[in-house]
Amino acid sequence: AQSVTQLDSHVSVSEGTPVLLRCNYSSSYSPSLFWYVQHPNKGLQLLLKYTSAATLVKGINGFEAEFKKSETSFHLTKPSAHMSDAAEYFCVVSDLTGGGNKLTFGTGTQLKVEL
Amino acid sequence: DGGITQSPKYLFRKEGQNVTLSCEQNLNHDAMYWYRQDPGQGLRLIYYSQIVNDFQKGDIAEGYSVSREKKESFPLTVTSAQKNPTAFYLCASSPGTSGSAQYNEQFFGPGTRLTVL
Repeated sequence: AQSVTQLDSHVSVSEGTPVLLRCNYSSSYSPSLFWYVQHPNKGLQLLLKYTSAATLVKGINGFEAEFKKSETSFHLTKPSAHMSDAAEYFCVVSDLTGGGNKLTFGTGTQLKVEL
Repeated sequence: DGGITQSPKYLFRKEGQNVTLSCEQNLNHDAMYWYRQDPGQGLRLIYYSQIVNDFQKGDIAEGYSVSREKKESFPLTVTSAQKNPTAFYLCASSPGTSGSAQYNEQFFGPGTRLTVL
């Protein structure tokens, strides 16, 4: 069985400072990992995905994440936060075993960006 | 303009009524999914369909039903048997379900907020 743990339910940063959103996963197989962002009352938008091609993954809007198998982590970072980054972020693991494409979502991290 | 559309954006239901949420995609994707989102719980899978005329239960299928008569459409019915239907419902699609991440990335619609009065 696969699972995802987002270690912080809320993160608050000042504009212009670095962002770190933490995610640990558990999977019996080589996982696919994703980060999605959700603005209030909107659908989810893909930020980036890990597909085993490279451990450091670059996404949209300056975000990146590093896959660390030894630590079973996939933390999301951004060097400098912008006000528009305020949203909820979901770490997701994909399991393609047993047929189907089942995503397991973390419980989300609410990012607040202050002036 | 390709994408996934959901309607209506807001829906109100009286207790004991069935309601149907629409989901349409023009991405030519084989697979479609329905999720329920509650505050602090992330997304939970209700039903998914890998091909037309076939669908499987997800983790919380009780009180819901679906159909997949056309590739582009995957409507969700919330029945009166669903005890706590007030939630945000998200539909998604993916190109397929093969072993490559290019196929298992899911694309999401804008959601429908259902409120039971």
